[in-house]
Amino acid sequence: NAGVTQTPKFQVLKTGQSMTLQCAQDMNHEYMSWYRQDPGMGLRLIHYSVGAGITDQGEVPNGYNVSRSTTEDFPLRLLSAAPSQTSVYFCASRPYGTAEYEQYFGPGTRLTVT
Amino acid sequence: SQQGEEDPQALSIQEGENATMNCSYKTSINNLQWYRQNSGRGLVHLILIRSNEREKHSGRLRVTLDTSKKSSSLLITASRAADTASYFCATDDSTGNQFYFGTGTSLTVIP
Repeated sequence: NAGVTQTPKFQVLKTGQSMTLQCAQDMNHEYMSWYRQDPGMGLRLIHYSVGAGITDQGEVPNGYNVSRSTTEDFPLRLLSAAPSQTSVYFCASRPYGTAEYEQYFGPGTRLTVT
Repeated sequence: SQQGEEDPQALSIQEGENATMNCSYKTSINNLQWYRQNSGRGLVHLILIRSNEREKHSGRLRVTLDTSKKSSSLLITASRAADTASYFCATDDSTGNQFYFGTGTSLTVIP
């Protein structure tokens, strides 16, 4: 099992550019989520999904879009990057509908917007 | 924001000593979890305590939960240099779908 994988590891964007952060998991987890981590702020939930075709907003969804067409993949789209979106982004997954709440995290994508 | 807070922000101890870090949260919870993050890496789950539990042990880890005070503590006994990392608490909302992480405690264990 590769677990949760994220690409790219690093990315530099100019203000206004768009890009997609990729996330995939091979554990057949229904629940997947995206977080951003800023210094001194801990992790904040951007969007989450409880299964293919189902997504919902987290605490800080503005400026980000998601879709979930398969169980394995949960891409995060930045439509028009802003310097305030400079952060480290983590994808996570876990089983859903069970008492297992442990989330499995990917290694992160470090994004800089200039 | 429903983000919790952790205390202290940073902690430096000698190898072999115990490390205690605290987490306070804002709303009622189903579960509280602790995660570890090594520098430049993703988070790794350590332990989960349910809202109806008061204490839980796992190896060198001991977690307590006081729902009346909306607080939890993580104790790492007999610390090792390899325990050097940031530690975060996380709570969930009533649906179990949204998770709120604390601001983290940076632990340094000096060999």
